Amino acid sequence: DVKVTQSSRYLVKRTGEKVFLECVQDMDHENMFWYRQDPGLGLRLIYFSYDVKMKEKGDIPEGYSVSREKKERFSLILESASTNQTSMYLCASSSKDASSYNEQFFGPGTRLTVL
Amino acid sequence: QQQVKQSPQSLIVQKGGISIINCAYENTAFDYFPWYQQFPGKGPALLIAIRPDVSEKKEGRFTISFNKSAKQFSLHIMDSQPGDSATYFCAASITGNTPLVFGKGTRLSVIA
Repeated sequence: DVKVTQSSRYLVKRTGEKVFLECVQDMDHENMFWYRQDPGLGLRLIYFSYDVKMKEKGDIPEGYSVSREKKERFSLILESASTNQTSMYLCASSSKDASSYNEQFFGPGTRLTVL
Repeated sequence: QQQVKQSPQSLIVQKGGISIINCAYENTAFDYFPWYQQFPGKGPALLIAIRPDVSEKKEGRFTISFNKSAKQFSLHIMDSQPGDSATYFCAASITGNTPLVFGKGTRLSVIA
């Protein structure tokens, strides 16, 4: 069974803390994505990566960075957490194979609260 | 900015009724249009998808209708059931290494 796992389901941090959200996929996918989900705003793309050590900015990269040192792992970093980063964070992966039609597989999400 | 506009934001349907969610897109280069279903506490999962070479695709009670000239596509859920209650996202992309562009989602509630 294919799987995308995220390190925490719930996380509470203080303003100014450095926060690491980890995502691991076991499908040997080349592509990985980080989204945040907020009510009424849908899924907004933060960063994505098409290969190890590669990263591309999404629609809302400000205040975030990412790291992809291994193919299966994609980390989202909040350098200095702020209350407006309280959100649900979703990681996804997809295959580069054209026959996969860009199907993305999502993890269960991490609900981050910044106090 | 590439956009996919989804409506309605929320929908309440009686059990056994038809649920209809609509999406419109702007970029004529999009060639892949999936719908994702998300239950509370879970990540979204692919429900059904269509490519623009067909006008309709049906899988069980779920049907995508696609209108290329109008740049619109919609999800129809026939004989809606309480278990269909979830948030639905439409999306679009260009085949290849481009991210999906998601609509803002529709929260569907099917009541008995």
